[in-house]
Amino acid sequence: EDQVTQSPEALRLQEGESSSLNCSYTVSGLRGLFWYRQDPGKGPEFLFTLYSAGEEKEKERLKATLTKKESFLHITAPKPEDSATYLCAGNYGGSQGNLIFGKGTKLSVKP
Amino acid sequence: DAGITQSPRYKITETGRQVTLMCHQTWSHSYMFWYRQDLGHGLRLIYYSAAADITDKGEVPDGYVVSRSKTENFPLTLESATRSQTSVYFCASSESRYTQYFGPGTRLTVL
Repeated sequence: EDQVTQSPEALRLQEGESSSLNCSYTVSGLRGLFWYRQDPGKGPEFLFTLYSAGEEKEKERLKATLTKKESFLHITAPKPEDSATYLCAGNYGGSQGNLIFGKGTKLSVKP
Repeated sequence: DAGITQSPRYKITETGRQVTLMCHQTWSHSYMFWYRQDLGHGLRLIYYSAAADITDKGEVPDGYVVSRSKTENFPLTLESATRSQTSVYFCASSESRYTQYFGPGTRLTVL
């Protein structure tokens, strides 16, 4: 069964304290690994897509990387406005092409 | 540029009533999706549509009906609402089967 698992469930950081969020996924059939940001009361906002091991993408203080069985979302020198829930999702293709989501990591950045 | 919108944003209904949640996108994306988000489960696919008049079931379709007569609209109907359908519902669209863009969500409470 396709599975995407995120850790930790919650992460508290001080402003400026860099860290990483983890997403492990079922390797077989993966056609893309996605990262989304979700603020309270809002829909998920697309951040990155990664397709092959070794690929990296950056946006401001965020960098997403992909290995053969995990993806990491690195947050460098976070600010309070980076506080949100970060969702990882795998696309396993097939007739649906739907995303299989992890349960998310809730990040809190304190000033 | 409205993107993808959902209405209503909040809905309270009673058990047994029919409820329709609306989704509209202005991008002319081919693919549209309905997800529900519940604590402990993350986002789960209810139904998806690859084009007008083409729909298919996702992971949790029971109790829901969809239609897609126009590319830009993808309504979700709960034929006879149950308390277990209390959730936050998100619509998403995609030009390909991969990167999906989400609406702001509808919070539905079934009493």
